[in-house]
Amino acid sequence: EDQVTQSPEALRLQEGESSSLNCSYTVSGLRGLFWYRQDPGKGPEFLFTLYSAGEEKEKERLKATLTKKESFLHITAPKPEDSATYLCAGTIYNFNKFYFGSGTKLNVKP
Amino acid sequence: EAGVAQSPRYKIIEKRQSVAFWCNPISGHATLYWYQQILGQGPKLLIQFQNNGVVDDSQLPKDRFSAERLKGVDSTLKIQPAKLEDSAVYLCASSKDRGRETQYFGPGTRLLVL
Repeated sequence: EDQVTQSPEALRLQEGESSSLNCSYTVSGLRGLFWYRQDPGKGPEFLFTLYSAGEEKEKERLKATLTKKESFLHITAPKPEDSATYLCAGTIYNFNKFYFGSGTKLNVKP
Repeated sequence: EAGVAQSPRYKIIEKRQSVAFWCNPISGHATLYWYQQILGQGPKLLIQFQNNGVVDDSQLPKDRFSAERLKGVDSTLKIQPAKLEDSAVYLCASSKDRGRETQYFGPGTRLLVL
């Protein structure tokens, strides 16, 4: 069964305390792995797309990486404004289906 | 550039009633998606349109849900009759085309079925 699993479900960090979020997938013929940020009461906001194992992308304090079985979202020196739920999603070869994980709720304390 | 618009933002109905949601995608975006997001879960893709044709609706409960995208622009999602388990946020997203294009999400419609 195609699915995406995220861990941990929730993560509390102190401001400046770096950490990583995990997204493991069992999607046959994965063609793309996406990371989104979702704030309460809002729709997901696109962060990154990764297409092949070994690929890395960065944006400010965030860095996404992809292996053949999982993806990581590394957060370096987070700030309180990075508090949100981070979602990952995988899509298959024909981009007909998108499988989202349940997300990691990040809380960064000042 | 205006984002994806959805209305209404909130809706409360009794079970067995019907409800409709409206989505206006970003101008020029050919692909439109409807997702259901139950509290504490990730979005679940219900249906994907390319212009006014259906690409995939395998996750759409067709006995009660229907969706259309007339003229390849706006779209409506309808539930008839609603069940308690339909309580969720319904998200609309659009992208320039299928494939590697970024999906842009609207704010969603929060539905509560009593």
